[in-house]
Amino acid sequence: QQQVKQSPQSLIVQKGGISIINCAYENTAFDYFPWYQQFPGKGPALLIAIRPDVSEKKEGRFTISFNKSAKQFSLHIMDSQPGDSATYFCAAGDSGAGSYQLTFGKGTKLSVIP
Amino acid sequence: GAGVSQSPSNKVTEKGKDVELRCDPISGHTALYWYRQSLGQGLEFLIYFQGNSAPDKSGLPSDRFSAERTGGSVSTLTIQRTQQEDSAVYLCASSRDGYQPQHFGDGTRLSIL
Repeated sequence: QQQVKQSPQSLIVQKGGISIINCAYENTAFDYFPWYQQFPGKGPALLIAIRPDVSEKKEGRFTISFNKSAKQFSLHIMDSQPGDSATYFCAAGDSGAGSYQLTFGKGTKLSVIP
Repeated sequence: GAGVSQSPSNKVTEKGKDVELRCDPISGHTALYWYRQSLGQGLEFLIYFQGNSAPDKSGLPSDRFSAERTGGSVSTLTIQRTQQEDSAVYLCASSRDGYQPQHFGDGTRLSIL
């Protein structure tokens, strides 16, 4: 059972455009939602994270929007740059499980073209 | 070290052999996680260590998989009698405690021939 569904699988965006990646979850116990960026041959790097007590969090060009009632959250990358080309993973964690072991989406491969 | 260190970075072995993968977490991080990343898939949780508590092994796919963490620091993931479906990138992450952001190493790419 896939507990975190991520879309789209791949995304091509023009330089300067907005990249939007969406995730939906099923487990209402999830209370921590990070986004990770992964370059080929490297491990995932934490980009930004949100907890369900806020509906939006912004760090630089990256924004997470969170809709608790719809059980959805999304990553917006403003003014996308070729250096943003990577695979992005959303994830969810449940503190009640004793740790934030993360359940990941299957990833979105983002290509930003000049 | 500055980040999570994993070794080897690549491992090729024959089906049926045992393999050991090593993870050296960030100094001072009490929580350590192992994940598996198969081609085209997201990361799959395997096992979690927190301090001296019993590990959470709920993600281990079979009894051929085991892990230990010595002295609350370095961890070793062992896969016995490897199968071709074990081919994947094995990632280790650590955090200050179980409720802090997880920092990942670059993984070990395991290929079973």
